[in-house]
Amino acid sequence: TQLLEQSPQFLSIQEGENLTVYCNSSSVFSSLQWYRQEPGEGPVLLVTVVTGGEVKKLKRLTFQFGDARKDSSLHITAAQPGDTGLYLCAGAGGGSSNTGKLIFGQGTTLQVKP
Amino acid sequence: NAGVMQNPRHLVRRRGQEARLRCSPMKGHSHVYWYRQLPEEGLKFMVYLQKENIIDESGMPKERFSAEFPKEGPSILRIQQVVRGDSAAYFCASSPPVSPGYEQYFGPGTRLTVT
Repeated sequence: TQLLEQSPQFLSIQEGENLTVYCNSSSVFSSLQWYRQEPGEGPVLLVTVVTGGEVKKLKRLTFQFGDARKDSSLHITAAQPGDTGLYLCAGAGGGSSNTGKLIFGQGTTLQVKP
Repeated sequence: NAGVMQNPRHLVRRRGQEARLRCSPMKGHSHVYWYRQLPEEGLKFMVYLQKENIIDESGMPKERFSAEFPKEGPSILRIQQVVRGDSAAYFCASSPPVSPGYEQYFGPGTRLTVT
């Protein structure tokens, strides 16, 4: 069974602080996606990482894919209240699966207080 | 440029009734995925379809659940004889024919409540 362990599950910080969310697995994935989900809405794709060691930046968000393509991290610099939400990592193409179905982590609920 | 559309957004059914959830993928997308999000749980894969074909249904419950993606029209997730445990948010996602990173774009979801 492929699993993605996401940590921490909950994070409450002050505006301006930095934070990192981790996504770990024992399985190798072809790609890894990061999503953000607001209450009552569907997940919104933030980024896809494909190559081991890849780093992608999206304004104050930095995403990294581990060299072995088993783990990923999301780093937010100078968090703002607008960053509040549920962050999900999802892996595709893990193990013997090549159908593109996504395996999701449990999510990290981030609260940024003004 | 419309995104993935799902309807209804909210659906209430009594135990034993049938629920039909619809999903129209993004324009140009031919791959559709269904996921379920139970209260306090993460998103779980259910089924992956291409036009007129079920590619992977490894996440579908063996009974009462079925899915289709006809040549014309939306993809349908059908739940027969619903039970309270079926209450959840059901999300549809779509991806283009060639998706190097399996990028999937999600709809807003259908929230099913079984009373």
